[in-house]
Amino acid sequence: EAGVAQSPRYKIIEKRQSVAFWCNPISGHATLYWYQQILGQGPKLLIQFQNNGVVDDSQLPKDRFSAERLKGVDSTLKIQPAKLEDSAVYLCASSSVTDRGAYNEQFFGPGTRLTVL
Amino acid sequence: GDSVTQMEGPVTLSEEACLTINCTYTATGYPSLFWYVQYPGEGLQLLLKATKADDKGSNKGFEATYRKETTSFHLEKGSVQVSDSAVYFCALRGTGGFKTIFGAGTRLFVKA
Repeated sequence: EAGVAQSPRYKIIEKRQSVAFWCNPISGHATLYWYQQILGQGPKLLIQFQNNGVVDDSQLPKDRFSAERLKGVDSTLKIQPAKLEDSAVYLCASSSVTDRGAYNEQFFGPGTRLTVL
Repeated sequence: GDSVTQMEGPVTLSEEACLTINCTYTATGYPSLFWYVQYPGEGLQLLLKATKADDKGSNKGFEATYRKETTSFHLEKGSVQVSDSAVYFCALRGTGGFKTIFGAGTRLFVKA
């Protein structure tokens, strides 16, 4: 079974530029998560999708970050314009849902390391 | 709100030494508790979990017991190997069921 795929693996941009990250979850996983992991910290949830709907985006800085999962499969996360403090690893994860609606184990992709200069 | 506090690293051990990484949590109700591991250059992997008080999660020689009275979920291993070198994250998922809160991570170095 293929894991969660992310691209690119590394990205270096200057502040005020825009950047996009792509994630393809494990086939059949209805739930998709984007996390931000700043160096020395644990992952912080940015947004969670259930199929193509948003479950939680309370910690997404909506003035500059956006995410979509139009067909309920792969997803893109965009930052526009980027700030220095956006330098981090952006992790994508996916999980399946039980018959009772509970979330199963999250599987993580390798992440995209973003450096903003 | 819910939170997880884990011991700061890095932790440096010799091969075959005993490991304990402390983790305490704050949450209402009865959260599920997890340990994730992140090997260099890879994404996080679930190492073990416990979903109710007094449960013991175990995997690859690692263990952690859900202690509600002390709100703790310490990670232990009796004999570490060089291949255990990684960053370990304690996490909880609250009784609401869908948001996972992670600790800051503890880096472990094991020397041969």
